[in-house]
Amino acid sequence: EAGVTQSPTHLIKTRGQQATLRCSPISGHTSVYWYQQALGLGLQFLLWYDEGEERNRGNFPPRFSGRQFPNYSSELNVNALELEDSALYLCASSLPPGSGANVLTFGAGSRLTVL
Amino acid sequence: AQSVTQLGSHVSVSEGALVLLRCNYSSSVPPYLFWYVQYPNQGLQLLLKYTSAATLVKGINGFEAEFKKSETSFHLTKPSAHMSDAAEYFCAVSVTTGNKLVFGAGTILRVKS
Repeated sequence: EAGVTQSPTHLIKTRGQQATLRCSPISGHTSVYWYQQALGLGLQFLLWYDEGEERNRGNFPPRFSGRQFPNYSSELNVNALELEDSALYLCASSLPPGSGANVLTFGAGSRLTVL
Repeated sequence: AQSVTQLGSHVSVSEGALVLLRCNYSSSVPPYLFWYVQYPNQGLQLLLKYTSAATLVKGINGFEAEFKKSETSFHLTKPSAHMSDAAEYFCAVSVTTGNKLVFGAGTILRVKS
């Protein structure tokens, strides 16, 4: 069974540009989560999507946005990049809400570097 | 609001020694608790989870954790450390509203030969 896949593995952008990160969940998982892991800041929750809808959002500015497609894959967009957006962005997927303990399965992450 | 606190950002043990990584949680409702491990330049891998069944939970790679409600703790242990256990470990609690996990700050485990 394929795990959670993320692309690209690495991405280098300059300040003010836009970045798009992509995630494919495990087959059968309808929920996708995005986390930011910046140096010294731990794992910060960004977004949760389920069945194509944004269900919850962390404490991030509106320039962080995303969407979930009918095949449950997802993309995260970061507009007007700032230096502090440099981080490892982790995507995770899980079974639908109400399936019991929501065990999140993580991808390997996309490392975004903003110069 | 649910939260977790990991005591000790860095823990160093000798190969073959006991591993003890501490996690305390705060939750107004019975929590679901998790331990994840992250190896360098990789994503997070689930070690084990507590979902209100047995209080002693066994996970992969010889790790286990015990849920102690009276102490609001969920410490991770392994009887004998191996060099391959060197990684960062995260404790997490499932937040009932929003279906997300809230993570602790992480503990970096170093294993000395």
